[in-house]
Amino acid sequence: AQTVTQSQPEMSVQEAETVTLSCTYDTSESDYYLFWYKQPPSRQMILVIRQEAYKQQNATENRFSVNFQKAAKSFSLKISDSQLGDAAMYFCAYRSAGLDGGATNKLIFGTGTLLAVQP
Amino acid sequence: GAVVSQHPSWVICKSGTSVKIECRSLDFQATTMFWYRQFPKQSLMLMATSNEGSKATYEQGVEKDKFLINHASLTLSTLTVTSAHPEDSSFYICSTGGTNEKLFFGSGTQLSVL
Repeated sequence: AQTVTQSQPEMSVQEAETVTLSCTYDTSESDYYLFWYKQPPSRQMILVIRQEAYKQQNATENRFSVNFQKAAKSFSLKISDSQLGDAAMYFCAYRSAGLDGGATNKLIFGTGTLLAVQP
Repeated sequence: GAVVSQHPSWVICKSGTSVKIECRSLDFQATTMFWYRQFPKQSLMLMATSNEGSKATYEQGVEKDKFLINHASLTLSTLTVTSAHPEDSSFYICSTGGTNEKLFFGSGTQLSVL
């Protein structure tokens, strides 16, 4: 079974600085997706960034980028120029790329990292 | 983009009553819907997978008789918490499934059982 581990329960960053959130995962599959979701106090799940395992190039979305190390099964999120609005719980998640559309395509979440942004 | 509408956003009920939570997919057909539960400051835990026109698949440890899932149409999946008790108080959230790499989440339902 696949597992996702986030070893940092809480992180803090100064506004305008850069912070990196760690995530490791375990799987025997070769094709899968990895995600970072943001959950602000409203608790709406917001997709921050996603990475296809077959793509070697690291995904980037504006101030958010990932360092995807497939061999090491590591998927860290870097937030540049941190803003007060970035304060939230961040979840790393794994999803199989299977074709049956059922339970095998469920998201498997890590335990989350609570990010605080200091003004 | 695609949207999932989840209602109600919060509900308070007395112990022993049943509560129904709806997730409706807008402008697209959702053959699969996932139902998650989230306790305060914890991660989302998958409860069950609902499939349109067939029985839901429950995760280990989830009581199927307590958490009834119905996916009668391609746009609506419901979760009914039957005979709710205070320990069922939690945040429940749905998301679409399927083969698309993108999943869409509902806005969640906070259930408080008195």
